[in-house]
Amino acid sequence: DAGVTQSPTHLIKTRGQQVTLRCSPKSGHDTVSWYQQALGQGPQFIFQYYEEEERQRGNFPDRFSGHQFPNYSSELNVNALLLGDSALYLCASSTGQGGDIQYFGAGTRLSVL
Amino acid sequence: GQQVMQIPQYQHVQEGEDFTTYCNSSTTLSNIQWYKQRPGGHPVFLIQLVKSGEVKKQKRLTFQFGEAKKNSSLHITATQTTDVGTYFCAGGDYSTLTFGKGTMLLVSP
Repeated sequence: DAGVTQSPTHLIKTRGQQVTLRCSPKSGHDTVSWYQQALGQGPQFIFQYYEEEERQRGNFPDRFSGHQFPNYSSELNVNALLLGDSALYLCASSTGQGGDIQYFGAGTRLSVL
Repeated sequence: GQQVMQIPQYQHVQEGEDFTTYCNSSTTLSNIQWYKQRPGGHPVFLIQLVKSGEVKKQKRLTFQFGEAKKNSSLHITATQTTDVGTYFCAGGDYSTLTFGKGTMLLVSP
C-alpha cells in the first residue's frame, strides 16, 4: 500500500517563474492538503481539496492555486515566484473532516534563486 | 485566526534525561495531534487527543490534553538518541489543522 507520493523531490527556479508540484494521496484517502514549511518553522496550511474543489484555504496569496483530479491526486501551482517562496512543500492526505490526521508525503524542496 | 504556540523552541538533553514540550492554543480545540519530524524528513503522525483531560501513553511517551482543550504536553521519559527530531503539536478544529513551530530535541549519548 503506497503512502503519499510527491514529485519532484527537488526543484530550482528563478524569480518570476511558475512551478507545478504533484501529489498522489494514500490509498483510500479522498482529501488532499498542501502545506508550506520554511526552514525552522512548522507546516503552514495553504489549502485543502476535497471532491475536486478547494474546501479550505489558509492565508496565502492568489499566486498559490491548486487542483484535484477525479483520482484524488492533486497539483499545487505557484505563479510569479518570489525568493520567499523557497521552502519544503508538503502534501498530506486524509479522510473525512479537514482537521483529521494528516499523512504526509516526503515533500518537494523548492529553491527560488 | 487560530494560533498554536509551543515551548521550548529547542532542548538539548543527555541520553536518559526526561524531556517535555508544551503546546498552547488561542482557541478551544476539537482535537490536538502530535507529529515528529526527523532531520531531513517529513512530519509523521504520533497521536491524536480528543477528550478534555485525556492522557495517552506510547511506551516512553506520555501525551496530555488540558481540561479546557486549549493546551497539551508531550513528555518523554529516559530519552534515547532515536528520539532526536522536531516535535510538532497541531490544533484541530473541524476544518483545518494549525501547527505550532515545533520543539527541536537533541539527545547526546
